[in-house]
Amino acid sequence: DVKVTQSSRYLVKRTGEKVFLECVQDMDHENMFWYRQDPGLGLRLIYFSYDVKMKEKGDIPEGYSVSREKKERFSLILESASTNQTSMYLCATGLADRDNNEQFFGPGTRLTVL
Amino acid sequence: AQSVTQPDIHITVSEGASLELRCNYSYGATPYLFWYVQSPGQGLQLLLKYFSGDTLVQGIKGFEAEFKRSQSSFNLRKPSVHWSDAAEYFCAVLGRGDYKLSFGAGTTVTVRA
Repeated sequence: DVKVTQSSRYLVKRTGEKVFLECVQDMDHENMFWYRQDPGLGLRLIYFSYDVKMKEKGDIPEGYSVSREKKERFSLILESASTNQTSMYLCATGLADRDNNEQFFGPGTRLTVL
Repeated sequence: AQSVTQPDIHITVSEGASLELRCNYSYGATPYLFWYVQSPGQGLQLLLKYFSGDTLVQGIKGFEAEFKRSQSSFNLRKPSVHWSDAAEYFCAVLGRGDYKLSFGAGTTVTVRA
């Protein structure tokens, strides 16, 4: 089974703090994704990575950056957290195979910015 | 750009009754289609997916979905709901050759005894 883990289930930070959210997968998937989930909006893609050190902006990248130094690890960084970044953050992984591109999700990190 | 609409924000159903969740998509060609479920405090779990072939797709937990090209729909059904089916359900679309899923806003299902 694919295992996608996220470093924290719950996180509370203060406005202006730098925040790191970590995601680790054990299935050697090429693609990794960061989404945020908000009520009534579903999931929206922040960034994704298709290879080590490669990244591409999603639909809502503003205020976020990412890092992928190793294939199994994909980090989401909030350089200066703001209250409007309070949300549930979900990491996902998937193969680069265009005929088998299902995504597998981690349990999520609920971030509160005070 | 592709988009997904789930018209029902919240559905309440009695245990043992049937359930149907609606999903409509907008995309230039036939995309890949998915239904995910999220139980409270959990990540997303894939219920089923449609890539090609038979338009009636069977999934886990007794769910099925039917792809109707003429209606651009991919509705999810379950004949008899269990209390454990109370959750939020998301329809998602993936363009062929793309890697970016587009999600609907979700439908919350409440099951009453």
